[in-house]
Amino acid sequence: NAGVTQTPKFQVLKTGQSMTLQCAQDMNHEYMSWYRQDPGMGLRLIHYSVGAGITDQGEVPNGYNVSRSTTEDFPLRLLSAAPSQTSVYFCASSYGRQRANYGYTFGSGTRLTVV
Amino acid sequence: GNSVTQMEGPVTLSEEAFLTINCTYTATGYPSLFWYVQYPGEGLQLLLKATKADDKGSNKGFEATYRKETTSFHLEKGSVQVSDSAVYFCALRNDKIIFGKGTRLHILP
Repeated sequence: NAGVTQTPKFQVLKTGQSMTLQCAQDMNHEYMSWYRQDPGMGLRLIHYSVGAGITDQGEVPNGYNVSRSTTEDFPLRLLSAAPSQTSVYFCASSYGRQRANYGYTFGSGTRLTVV
Repeated sequence: GNSVTQMEGPVTLSEEAFLTINCTYTATGYPSLFWYVQYPGEGLQLLLKATKADDKGSNKGFEATYRKETTSFHLEKGSVQVSDSAVYFCALRNDKIIFGKGTRLHILP
């Protein structure tokens, strides 16, 4: 039972490079979300999806793209990395609103440094 | 809109002290309420939850009661341990989940 799997765990990028953070879940969850967490800060929602083929912006979407071609996968793309994107990125998944009594399941995070 | 307010940290306690972390919420309808814990270098883990008024969630010695009349879901533990040092997040969910800003807890031996 893998839950939510994020890869890579650590990444160093140079300013201007692009990359994709991977997220996969094996629980048949409808909802998937990406958050960033800066040091000493709470979670900020980047993008989310309520099902395959459906994505929407969170509170800090600039500089990031997502797609949801399958239920299982929700990759996050950094288009042109900037030092301000240095952060820890968490992917989370959950059942839909019909089962809102279930919480979200989080991955272990990707620690990204942009130099 | 929905929102969660929790006490700002850091909170520093001695081992075996009593812990309370306050959490209040604003929501339409009847949300489910959650406490998550984040240990250093890890992701968030569900600690406990309550899904209707007067429900008590409990886990690992922690408890929280869903109080609709005061719109609160305070986290308590009778005797904290050094291993409880972490960041604690209160959250509510009607559809998408809404998190508080987190409270950092330090337990001194």
